[in-house]
Amino acid sequence: DTGVSQDPRHKITKRGQNVTFRCDPISEHNRLYWYRQTLGQGPEFLTYFQNEAQLEKSRLLSDRFSAERPKGSFSTLEIQRTEQGDSAMYLCASSEGPSNEKLFFGSGTQLSVL
Amino acid sequence: DQQVKQNSPSLSVQEGRISILNCDYTNSMFDYFLWYKKYPAEGPTFLISISSIKDKNEDGRFTVFLNKSAKHLSLHIVPSQPGDSAVYFCAASAGNTDKLIFGTGTRLQVFP
Repeated sequence: DTGVSQDPRHKITKRGQNVTFRCDPISEHNRLYWYRQTLGQGPEFLTYFQNEAQLEKSRLLSDRFSAERPKGSFSTLEIQRTEQGDSAMYLCASSEGPSNEKLFFGSGTQLSVL
Repeated sequence: DQQVKQNSPSLSVQEGRISILNCDYTNSMFDYFLWYKKYPAEGPTFLISISSIKDKNEDGRFTVFLNKSAKHLSLHIVPSQPGDSAVYFCAASAGNTDKLIFGTGTRLQVFP
């Protein structure tokens, strides 16, 4: 097991374009989380899944953002019509149980919107 | 609203000495607290946690103290080592939700 894997590591896009990120969690983990981190801030919760069910979404997740976990394994996070304010590190994490179980984070996808 | 606050953006400590990182929170519903460490170009890694029913948890060189009345927790690292140089995030969760609320982080530098 190589831990939580995220792809791509870096993404540069022009404003208005759509982007999609992928996260592969640790295989036996049924919970998967997406966080966003901007410079000088801590990670901010976006959404999480238990198996394929999306159980909670932050108000930070505007209608331009959509996340899926179709078979309860990997997850994708899509941002439509990107804006410069979307530039951030997008972190994926997984765990075996609820948030009082430690989260295992991937290395993140750094998005730059020009 | 910043529910978890780390008021010291940076801390510099000599190798072998104690490092004390502080964290304050405002939400009295938080019942579980964690510390994560982050190196550049990597995701945060779990360090140590504490439940609100305890006031201290120790794991090797790392000890977390919780003062519920003051809504304050601290992470002690002793002795500090150069490899401890990283950004440390305090995080909290409440029993009725499964998301972690993170502080803004404290950059620790341990020098020889």
